[in-house]
Amino acid sequence: AQSVTQLDSHVSVSEGTPVLLRCNYSSSYSPSLFWYVQHPNKGLQLLLKYTSAATLVKGINGFEAEFKKSETSFHLTKPSAHMSDAAEYFCVVSEPGYSTLTFGKGTMLLVSP
Amino acid sequence: DTAVSQTPKYLVTQMGNDKSIKCEQNLGHDTMYWYKQDSKKFLKIMFSYNNKELIINETVPNRFSPKSPDKAHLNLHINSLELGDSAVYFCASSRTGSFGGANVLTFGAGSRLTVL
Repeated sequence: AQSVTQLDSHVSVSEGTPVLLRCNYSSSYSPSLFWYVQHPNKGLQLLLKYTSAATLVKGINGFEAEFKKSETSFHLTKPSAHMSDAAEYFCVVSEPGYSTLTFGKGTMLLVSP
Repeated sequence: DTAVSQTPKYLVTQMGNDKSIKCEQNLGHDTMYWYKQDSKKFLKIMFSYNNKELIINETVPNRFSPKSPDKAHLNLHINSLELGDSAVYFCASSRTGSFGGANVLTFGAGSRLTVL
């Protein structure tokens, strides 16, 4: 069965400092993994997706994530936070043969000036 | 052009009423979904349709009834609304129902339902 755990409900950073949002997954097979972002009162937007090609995945707005099978992790990073990055971030998993995505509970990223 | 559009964006209603939320996608996708996001931001799938056919029906009260008149539309009708139905409902679509390869979910902007 597929599941995903986002290790932090809130992360606070200062503008210009690095961002790390942590995600661990559980999957019986080689999963597809995603990060989505939700800005306040908006829908969800895809940041990036891993599908068993390169383990380091680059996404939009300077975000990237690294798939580490040995650690069952798919952490999201960005070298330098911007005020506009303040939002809720969701880590998502899908196993082959599953027709749904399983969402983590979300991590709220707060960026201070 | 909005890829996945849902209406209304906001809906405030009394307990016991019946309401509908409409969703349309212009991406040519075969599969459409309804997700519910609760007050703690947790997202849970409710229904999934592939080419007008119901393929996923999670444990949702039967007061919720989806309808897909064609593969570009998936509407959600809710009877006898209860306080606990207050949430944001997201429509989404994907090219197919499996998520290997380049297939991803595209979300609408959400419909915030408040039941008083």
